[in-house]
Amino acid sequence: QVQLHQWGAGLLKPSETLSLTCAVNGASFSGYYWSWIRQSPGKGLEWLGEINHGGYTKYNPSLKSRVIISLDTTKNQFSLKLSSVTAADTAVYFCARAEVGMIDSWGLGTLVTVSS
Amino acid sequence: DIVLTQSPGTLSLSPGERATLSCRASQSVTTSYLAWYQQRPGQAPRLLIYGASSRATGIPDRFSGSGSGTDFTLTINKLEPEDFAVYYCQLYGPSFPRWTFGQGTKVEIK
Repeated sequence: QVQLHQWGAGLLKPSETLSLTCAVNGASFSGYYWSWIRQSPGKGLEWLGEINHGGYTKYNPSLKSRVIISLDTTKNQFSLKLSSVTAADTAVYFCARAEVGMIDSWGLGTLVTVSS
Repeated sequence: DIVLTQSPGTLSLSPGERATLSCRASQSVTTSYLAWYQQRPGQAPRLLIYGASSRATGIPDRFSGSGSGTDFTLTINKLEPEDFAVYYCQLYGPSFPRWTFGQGTKVEIK
């Protein structure tokens, strides 16, 4: 049973960089897309991007210039960085494991609030 | 981009009743790429159905999915108290965007 444990700063000021990490227990990275998804009242569920076991990334085009997802296989972790945050980036951020056609495991979510 | 439209926005039902939720895609989609999720307050979404009609591991058989092309349905037979939640349909895209979500249907206690 895969478990995803996520953490990171929950309160940011505008223009700062959001940084979240997700630790993977009970699964290898191979064969899956390791993803970040956020949820806000205004925009619902929004896919931010993903990384595979080889470090190949895909990002939501609407965020592509601000988002970086990385992988540390030695620690069984993957991470999200979102730069130049604004109030519009206030949301609950989830890490997740995905494969073709489904997202079968989710972290508990981290509320990130952007406020001056 | 393909848009997923869910209806109704809110469904008010009593325990024991049947819930029928709709998800319509703006163009025909690959059936194997359509999934449904349940989200309870304060929790992450939980995979219910993948491939439009296959139940995920551990999901009770009162949940069923159907549909093809542009129209998909999630049916919940004999609602249990724990079934009152928000339900999302989702589409996987081999290219971009990778995941598209509907706006959700809230099933609430009448």
